[in-house]
Amino acid sequence: AQRVTQPEKLLSVFKGAPVELKCNYSYSGSPELFWYVQYSRQRLQLLLRHISRESIKGFTADLNKGETSFHLKKPFAQEEDSAMYYCALSSNYQLIWGAGTKLIIKP
Amino acid sequence: EAGVAQSPRYKIIEKRQSVAFWCNPISGHATLYWYQQILGQGPKLLIQFQNNGVVDDSQLPKDRFSAERLKGVDSTLKIQPAKLEDSAVYLCASSFAVGVNYEQYFGPGTRLTVT
Repeated sequence: AQRVTQPEKLLSVFKGAPVELKCNYSYSGSPELFWYVQYSRQRLQLLLRHISRESIKGFTADLNKGETSFHLKKPFAQEEDSAMYYCALSSNYQLIWGAGTKLIIKP
Repeated sequence: EAGVAQSPRYKIIEKRQSVAFWCNPISGHATLYWYQQILGQGPKLLIQFQNNGVVDDSQLPKDRFSAERLKGVDSTLKIQPAKLEDSAVYLCASSFAVGVNYEQYFGPGTRLTVT
């Protein structure tokens, strides 16, 4: 069955430290994966998608098919990165979501 | 460009009562989604419309939930009768079309509390 797992409910790092938000998936086929973000009092919004191979706000994510992972990384965390992050998998044109990780950046 | 609009933003009802949520998608977006997000979980798709037709409603509890998008624009989601486990945030999203290349844009959500 298709599934997305985000093992950390909460991740707290200091400003300037590297960040890695973990995402593992279960999918038979070629996966399409996304990271969505929800800042405090804002709407859920797309951060990046793996097919675009882009870096948004300093974040990158690489699809590792061998490890079935799509971890989100940023080399130097900023306070404005504090938010809720969701990993999502596209299956039959629908999104299957992880439970989310709350990222807190400490000053 | 105006975003996805939802109302009400908050609703508190007693169990066995009924409730309705409204969504207005971004102009020109053919695809509309309703999600249920229970506290501590990711969104779960309830129903997906393409224009005024249902693409997928396999996870919609049809004994109590119903949704419509009569003119292919606005949509309403209804719960009747509500149960305690329906307490959640109900998110509406829209996209230009179906497919991974089309970004989903989300509304602010309606927080439902069933007591």
